[in-house]
Amino acid sequence: NAGVTQTPKFRVLKTGQSMTLLCAQDMNHEYMYWYRQDPGMGLRLIHYSVGEGTTAKGEVPDGYNVSRLKKQNFLLGLESAAPSQTSVYFCASRDTSHSEQYFGPGTRLTVT
Amino acid sequence: SQQGEEDPQALSIQEGENATMNCSYKTSINNLQWYRQNSGRGLVHLILIRSNEREKHSGRLRVTLDTSKKSSSLLITASRAADTASYFCATDTASKLTFGTGTRLQVTL
Repeated sequence: NAGVTQTPKFRVLKTGQSMTLLCAQDMNHEYMYWYRQDPGMGLRLIHYSVGEGTTAKGEVPDGYNVSRLKKQNFLLGLESAAPSQTSVYFCASRDTSHSEQYFGPGTRLTVT
Repeated sequence: SQQGEEDPQALSIQEGENATMNCSYKTSINNLQWYRQNSGRGLVHLILIRSNEREKHSGRLRVTLDTSKKSSSLLITASRAADTASYFCATDTASKLTFGTGTRLQVTL
């Protein structure tokens, strides 16, 4: 099992560019989450999904969109990147019976 | 806003010593979890304590929970250099986790 994987690992964008981060899990988990981690602030929830075809806003959703077309994939999109979106992005998943989340290795995004 | 605040922000100890880190939170919870993050890596789940539990053990880890004070502590006994990492508490409410700001633990030989 690969667990939770994220693509890409690193990316540099110019202000105004768009991109999509891909999260994939092979554990048949129902729930998936996108977080951002900034220095000294812990992880903050951007969007999450409780099943295929569903999405919901987290604590800091502005500037991001998500889609969960397939159960194993959760995509995070930035339509018009801003320097404030420079961060490390983590994806996580969990099943319906257990609360603990499994995290991917992260994507380091820099917006110049 | 962050649900949890962790204390201390940084902790440096020698191998073999015990490390204690504390977490305070603001609202009612289903459970509280602790995660470890090695530098440049994703978070790894360590232990979960339910809201009706007061103490839980797992190997060298001991977690306590005081719901009346809305606080938790994580004790790592007989620390090792490999325990060097950041540790985060996370409170579970409505299938979502809210993370604290973390404690950076440095264990030196």
